[in-house]
Amino acid sequence: DVKVTQSSRYLVKRTGEKVFLECVQDMDHENMFWYRQDPGLGLRLIYFSYDVKMKEKGDIPEGYSVSREKKERFSLILESASTNQTSMYLCASKPLSGTPVYEQYFGPGTRLTVT
Amino acid sequence: ILNVEQSPQSLHVQEGDSTNFTCSFPSSNFYALHWYRWETAKSPKALFVMTLNGDEKKKGRISATLNTKEGYSYLYIKGSQPEDSATYLCAPNNNAGNMLTFGGGTRLMVKP
Repeated sequence: DVKVTQSSRYLVKRTGEKVFLECVQDMDHENMFWYRQDPGLGLRLIYFSYDVKMKEKGDIPEGYSVSREKKERFSLILESASTNQTSMYLCASKPLSGTPVYEQYFGPGTRLTVT
Repeated sequence: ILNVEQSPQSLHVQEGDSTNFTCSFPSSNFYALHWYRWETAKSPKALFVMTLNGDEKKKGRISATLNTKEGYSYLYIKGSQPEDSATYLCAPNNNAGNMLTFGGGTRLMVKP
């Protein structure tokens, strides 16, 4: 069974803090994704990575950066957290590049509150 | 950004009722349509991946159909059970690549 883990289930940070959200997958998947989920808006893609050190912007990358130094680990960074980044953050992974039919495997999510 | 719409946004049904909901998406450059189920406090899990017009997939009491020409998919649940309570997300792939665009979801609550 594919396992995608995220470093925290709940996180509370102050405005202006630098925040790291970590995601690890154990199935040697090439692709990894970061989404945020807000009520009524579904999952919105922030960034994805198709290989180590490779990344592409998703639909809402502003205010975020990512890091993928190892294949199994994909980090989301909030350089200076703001209250409008309070949300549920989900990480996902998927095997093989350029294949639309493979499902994505999700982590349990991190609920981030910025005060 | 693709316009993906799911309706209704939420749905309350009694145990034993059958129900269905809709996912609408642009029909151009279609490659695949994914359905996910997201139960509270758990990770979203894939239900179906559909690629062909007219495709129908079934898993137990849950089934889905796909119309790629008009850009919609229906998800049906026969004889709803409380354990079916979840948010159901659809996500088309219109770029042959890695990215999915998720709809806002349909939140289903089944009362015992």
